[in-house]
Amino acid sequence: NAGVTQTPKFRVLKTGQSMTLLCAQDMNHEYMYWYRQDPGMGLRLIHYSVGEGTTAKGEVPDGYNVSRLKKQNFLLGLESAAPSQTSVYFCASSYSISEQYFGPGTRLTVT
Amino acid sequence: SQQGEEDPQALSIQEGENATMNCSYKTSINNLQWYRQNSGRGLVHLILIRSNEREKHSGRLRVTLDTSKKSSSLLITASRAADTASYFCATDEAGNKLVFGAGTILRVKS
Repeated sequence: NAGVTQTPKFRVLKTGQSMTLLCAQDMNHEYMYWYRQDPGMGLRLIHYSVGEGTTAKGEVPDGYNVSRLKKQNFLLGLESAAPSQTSVYFCASSYSISEQYFGPGTRLTVT
Repeated sequence: SQQGEEDPQALSIQEGENATMNCSYKTSINNLQWYRQNSGRGLVHLILIRSNEREKHSGRLRVTLDTSKKSSSLLITASRAADTASYFCATDEAGNKLVFGAGTILRVKS
């Protein structure tokens, strides 16, 4: 099993560009999450999903959109990137509100 | 908002010593979890303790939970250089989310 995978691993964007981060899990988990991690801030929840076709806002949702068209995939979109979105993005999945399994992260730089 | 707050922010110890990290939170919880993050990697789940439990062990890890003080501690015994990492506590809020603290950076010197 691959667990949780994230694509891409690194990306550099110019201000105003758009991109989509892909998260995939092969554990048949219902719950999936997108976090961002900034130095000294811990993880902050951007959006999450409790099942296929559902999404909900987390702590810092502005500037991001998500979709969960298939149970195994959770996409995070940036429509118009800003330097404040420079961060490391982590995806996670879980059976319920319990142990979460994390992907390796995507390092995004917006110039 | 940060639900769990870890203390200390950073800890440096010698190999073989014990390391203790603390976590405080603000609201009622169903469970509290501890995660480890090695530099540049994703978080790895270490242990979950439920609100009706006071202590839990897993190998060299010992976690305590005091719901009256809204605090938890993670003890790593006989630390090794490989334990060098950041450690985060996470608490569940009403709903389906975990909220993570800012973490404790542990450095174990060999």
